[in-house]
Amino acid sequence: NAGVTQTPKFRILKIGQSMTLQCTQDMNHNYMYWYRQDPGMGLKLIYYSVGAGITDKGEVPNGYNVSRSTTEDFPLRLELAAPSQTSVYFCASSPGGEGPVMPQHFGDGTRLSIL
Amino acid sequence: GQNIDQPTEMTATEGAIVQINCTYQTSGFNGLFWYQQHAGEAPTFLSYNVLDGLEEKGRFSSFLSRSKGYSYLLLKELQMKDSASYLCAGMDSNYQLIWGAGTKLIIKP
Repeated sequence: NAGVTQTPKFRILKIGQSMTLQCTQDMNHNYMYWYRQDPGMGLKLIYYSVGAGITDKGEVPNGYNVSRSTTEDFPLRLELAAPSQTSVYFCASSPGGEGPVMPQHFGDGTRLSIL
Repeated sequence: GQNIDQPTEMTATEGAIVQINCTYQTSGFNGLFWYQQHAGEAPTFLSYNVLDGLEEKGRFSSFLSRSKGYSYLLLKELQMKDSASYLCAGMDSNYQLIWGAGTKLIIKP
C-alpha cells in the first residue's frame, strides 16, 4: 500500500520560477493537507481540502495555490518562487468526515531550495 | 493565540525512561497528538488523547490533563532507534492541528 506519495523528493528553483509539488493518496481519504516545516519550527498549514472541489487556506497560504479535482490528488503550486519558500513540504491525508478523529498520514516530503 | 510548547532537546540513556512534556493553548480542543519524526523522514503517528488520563501502547505511553493544558509522552526501555524528534500537536475547534516545534531526543549508549 503506497499511502501518500509526493514528487519530487528534492528540487532547486531559481527566484521567480514556478513549479508544482505533486501529492497523491490511495487510501480514499477525504481530507488532505499541505504543510511546510522550517528548521526549529513546528509544521505550518498552508492549505487543506475536505473533499474534491473544496479547498481552504491554512495559516501560511501566501505565495501558494492548490486545487483538488479528484479525491486522490492535491497538487501545490508555487507561482513566483521566493527564498522565503525554501523549506520541506509535507502532504498529509486523513479520513475526515463523521466519526472519531483519525490521525493524519504523511508523505515523505519535498525538499525545496530557492536560490 | 494558539501555542504548543515543548523542550527543544533532551538526552537519555539506552534502556532508561524519558518523559517529554508538552503544554498547549488552542482555540477549543479536540485532542492531543504525538508524532515521531526521524531525521529527514516524515512524521509518523504515535498516540492520540482526548480524555484525561494515561494511554499505554507498548513501550510508549501518553498522558493528558485538559484542566492543566498539559500532556506528556513517556518512553520506556529506550532503544537507539528511538533517537528522533517527537512532535506534539493540539487539535483546535476547527479540527486543525497546531504543532509544536518538536523535541529532539538523543539516546546515548
